Amino acid sequence: GQQVMQIPQYQHVQEGEDFTTYCNSSTTLSNIQWYKQRPGGHPVFLIQLVKSGEVKKQKRLTFQFGEAKKNSSLHITATQTTDVGTYFCAGLAPGAGNMLTFGGGTRLMVKP
Amino acid sequence: DTEVTQTPKHLVMGMTNKKSLKCEQHMGHRAMYWYKQKAKKPPELMFVYSYEKLSINESVPSRFSPECPNSSLLNLHLHALQPEDSALYLCASSRMGRGDYEQYFGPGTRLTVT
Repeated sequence: GQQVMQIPQYQHVQEGEDFTTYCNSSTTLSNIQWYKQRPGGHPVFLIQLVKSGEVKKQKRLTFQFGEAKKNSSLHITATQTTDVGTYFCAGLAPGAGNMLTFGGGTRLMVKP
Repeated sequence: DTEVTQTPKHLVMGMTNKKSLKCEQHMGHRAMYWYKQKAKKPPELMFVYSYEKLSINESVPSRFSPECPNSSLLNLHLHALQPEDSALYLCASSRMGRGDYEQYFGPGTRLTVT
């Protein structure tokens, strides 16, 4: 079955440093979504990428979808303590209806 | 209103109890989901309802029984659970349609089975 791998599992950064998490699917995806889950909270949708090579920005966050639509990344510039949480990618395979496959998540910790 | 509500927030139950988790949304979404999340793990899909019909059951044990009484409500009936079923149970909803599957999650029910 489809697998979505995400690295790293954990990342500690000093406030102001950059952060990147990478997501890799075993199969070509229709689209990929990114979610953020704060400690003690629930996943919150951040963005969806659909097109090959797509790049989207949300303030300090930059999301990319690979040309082959099998990998994606999330980059945060100049992290802040409010960025703390676990970032999940979730892929939707062609023909999978509305069934997302979540990556394992990257837990970001920011030291003030 | 972009909120998914879940009750109760916390639930402690014994292995012989019967309890139900409830989920509600008023966004007009016609897809609703149950996920199970263990600590430091991603959400794990259990069930998907599309237009109030069960469309996906990810080989979940029969001690979990979902129900979708109408397009706004989703229940998860629990019976004879095991301690390893202790987890955060998340409900989510989304629109139906090609490529438009942004999911809105509720705050979850933290379940402890004793």
